[in-house]
Amino acid sequence: AQSVTQLDSHVSVSEGTPVLLRCNYSSSYSPSLFWYVQHPNKGLQLLLKYTSAATLVKGINGFEAEFKKSETSFHLTKPSAHMSDAAEYFCVVSDRDYGGSQGNLIFGKGTKLSVKP
Amino acid sequence: GAGVSQSPSNKVTEKGKDVELRCDPISGHTALYWYRQSLGQGLEFLIYFQGNSAPDKSGLPSDRFSAERTGGSVSTLTIQRTQQEDSAVYLCASNRGATDTQYFGPGTRLTVL
Repeated sequence: AQSVTQLDSHVSVSEGTPVLLRCNYSSSYSPSLFWYVQHPNKGLQLLLKYTSAATLVKGINGFEAEFKKSETSFHLTKPSAHMSDAAEYFCVVSDRDYGGSQGNLIFGKGTKLSVKP
Repeated sequence: GAGVSQSPSNKVTEKGKDVELRCDPISGHTALYWYRQSLGQGLEFLIYFQGNSAPDKSGLPSDRFSAERTGGSVSTLTIQRTQQEDSAVYLCASNRGATDTQYFGPGTRLTVL
């Protein structure tokens, strides 16, 4: 069965410093992996997705993530945090492999990112 | 264009009452998903509709939960005899199926007193 583990429930950074949100996944086959962001009182928004093309995936708002099969990781990074990045971030795996339907999404518990001025 | 919409945005009900939550997917999207986001359980899948196929109900937590999708568009999630542990934000998503990205609605916050 597929699962994701977000290693930090809360990350706090200063504005202008790098962001690292960690995610490890478990999958019986090659997974589709996603990062979603949820701002307070807003819906979920897709940041980026990995579907077997390049292992380094670039998303919106300067975020990127690298798929590392040997480490079963899909960590989310951004070189320089902005105040508007403060939100909750979810690492997500699809329960189908990337050759087929996206299927149902399995969410990590989320990481709350705080950005200090 | 219009995104996924859900109504009501907030619902407060008494324990034991039935509630209906509505989702309007993006026009043309054949697949529709319901998820639940609660403090204790995080975000979890409930049910998935794809076109005219039988829905995947594997995530429904009990037989008090049911969902319909009429005409391949609007969906209603019904919770019968609500319990306090049903309090959560219920999220709906839709996509064109296959490998398309899921687009989420703003959710319905359900509070069971």
